[in-house]
Amino acid sequence: ETGVTQTPRHLVMGMTNKKSLKCEQHLGHNAMYWYKQSAKKPLELMFVYSLEERVENNSVPSRFSPECPNSSHLFLHLHTLQPEDSALYLCASSPWTGANQPQHFGDGTRLSIL
Amino acid sequence: DAKTTQPNSMESNEEEPVHLPCNHSTISGTDYIHWYRQLPSQGPEYVIHGLTSNVNNRMASLAIAEDRKSSTLILHRATLRDAAVYYCILRGAGGTSYGKLTFGQGTILTVHP
Repeated sequence: ETGVTQTPRHLVMGMTNKKSLKCEQHLGHNAMYWYKQSAKKPLELMFVYSLEERVENNSVPSRFSPECPNSSHLFLHLHTLQPEDSALYLCASSPWTGANQPQHFGDGTRLSIL
Repeated sequence: DAKTTQPNSMESNEEEPVHLPCNHSTISGTDYIHWYRQLPSQGPEYVIHGLTSNVNNRMASLAIAEDRKSSTLILHRATLRDAAVYYCILRGAGGTSYGKLTFGQGTILTVHP
């Protein structure tokens, strides 16, 4: 059971498609995150939002475009992805962005690029 | 953030305590020690965190060495549901890495019935 919900759970898309990943949190948190988990590699932070403002972009290619319309919702818009972008995309939230704040994760969207 | 070192894998029997070690000899005074775990096909799950004193919650206990160069996550009675990859992570209070969690390889915990 989790307070962070990600949809869809699985997504298969071609390299020329445009799709979006959605994340919703019901925990009243003010910070939200996107992470990427590739096979056999540690989680990589992609983006951080605090109070709907992007505060960190961890050198992510422009084919990934995040959007945070309010503190409960986070989107990751995808376009012209590459096969190496196939991975598990995880959303997380925390009360604030401080070092002592635990992060709560969703179960991720498994993305496959054909 | 400073680096952590964990054993690649550990095994335990159900109902027995499990002590998962983590070395962080280069920890700074403002680094928090966090533990997360990841079960198969799920996102990471927060377990516990601390700064200097030992911490207890409903999931586990965290024992922090006096010099803070190592810590141990204690699961008091392992269940099959505790089989997961356990990550020990340091998070610095300074700098501009907003909320960044740097995951390493973690410890794969196997629990035998």
